[in-house]
Amino acid sequence: KQEVTQIPAALSVPEGENLVLNCSFTDSAIYNLQWFRQDPGKGLTSLLLIQSSQREQTSGRLNASLDKSSGRSTLYIAASQPGDSATYLCAVLRTDSWGKLQFGAGTQVVVTP
Amino acid sequence: GAVVSQHPSRVICKSGTSVKIECRSLDFQATTMFWYRQFPKKSLMLMATSNEGSKATYEQGVEKDKFLINHASLTLSTLTVTSAHPEDSSFYICSASGTENYEQYFGPGTRLTVT
Repeated sequence: KQEVTQIPAALSVPEGENLVLNCSFTDSAIYNLQWFRQDPGKGLTSLLLIQSSQREQTSGRLNASLDKSSGRSTLYIAASQPGDSATYLCAVLRTDSWGKLQFGAGTQVVVTP
Repeated sequence: GAVVSQHPSRVICKSGTSVKIECRSLDFQATTMFWYRQFPKKSLMLMATSNEGSKATYEQGVEKDKFLINHASLTLSTLTVTSAHPEDSSFYICSASGTENYEQYFGPGTRLTVT
């Protein structure tokens, strides 16, 4: 059974610091891994999707790495801003799951001005 | 990116009534749609998977007679909560997938409150 864990559960940093969010998964037979952002009371916004054959993806200040063999992904957010405050979720798509995502519990981030 | 809408965004209903939530993919054809439920400060729990023109596949523990899912077209799926009770109050989110890499695009969610 696939388990997805996100550490830490909550994180508070001053504006300008870099954010490092961790995601680990127990079954390396994944098709891809996605990072999402969720604002309070809102739906999910896809940030980055990494295919299992890729090592990393970048979009602006965001960079996500994937080490499938060790079951880890890291989301880096450079030069954090108060607008980055949100909950960040990672989700893996198993190769045998017919498109179903397995979510972690999320990391709640607060960036203080 | 692909856009998914949900309607309504918020609904309050009385116990015993039924509520329908719509999920639409606005600019792509969604061969598969997913319905999730999210409790406060918790992650998303998959309720069911629906493919266009087929019966939905429900996750273990989800009552299919209570949560009716219809995926009649490639752009629309509906979730009907039948005979709603206060414990059905939650945040319901749909997602749609239609691309080869299985990327899912999420709707903005529907807050259901049953009084």
